[in-house]
Amino acid sequence: AQSVSQHNHHVILSEAASLELGCNYSYGGTVNLFWYVQYPGQHLQLLLKYFSGDPLVKGIKGFEAEFIKSKFSFNLRKPSVQWSDTAEYFCAVGPDSWGKLQFGAGTQVVVTP
Amino acid sequence: GAVVSQHPSRVICKSGTSVKIECRSLDFQATTMFWYRQFPKKSLMLMATSNEGSKATYEQGVEKDKFLINHASLTLSTLTVTSAHPEDSSFYICSASGTGPPYEQYFGPGTRLTVT
Repeated sequence: AQSVSQHNHHVILSEAASLELGCNYSYGGTVNLFWYVQYPGQHLQLLLKYFSGDPLVKGIKGFEAEFIKSKFSFNLRKPSVQWSDTAEYFCAVGPDSWGKLQFGAGTQVVVTP
Repeated sequence: GAVVSQHPSRVICKSGTSVKIECRSLDFQATTMFWYRQFPKKSLMLMATSNEGSKATYEQGVEKDKFLINHASLTLSTLTVTSAHPEDSSFYICSASGTGPPYEQYFGPGTRLTVT
């Protein structure tokens, strides 16, 4: 069955630490890849997306993600986190061009001052 | 730009009644709208895909007679939970994508439904 897996359910780290969140998917063929963030009490916002081209994608707020086709992965990274990065992060995969998405289970990230 | 609103943000209803949730794209025309359900500590589960002017496509396991979706215009989709039961209590989120590529989805703030 097609699936999206996020490796960590809960991550706690200190400010200025580096963050990497794993995401793997099991779709074959061309996919569109997304990372969304949900800050406490707020709606989902797009961090970054990959449709084609350069596999290293830069998004908002200093986040980036790398698409590795051979590993079916789209890991999210940020070199130095801030307290304001405390949020839930969702990887999503869209197997078709009409935008239908399947979400991973999410990773709760807590950044301590 | 690309703002999606939902109304109401919270609703409490009695078991057996019906509840309507609205999803509006405020500054763009949404060819396609999606309805998700988010359980506590869980991911978003796609319930259905709604295209303007046509019947919604429901995901496997979602009862189309219970969750009625209407997408009457390019800026409005509604989800009606009919004969609600306590197990329907959840957070319902809509999203909308525009009329051309890259078909990015923009999410609404969600509606918290509590059925007593």
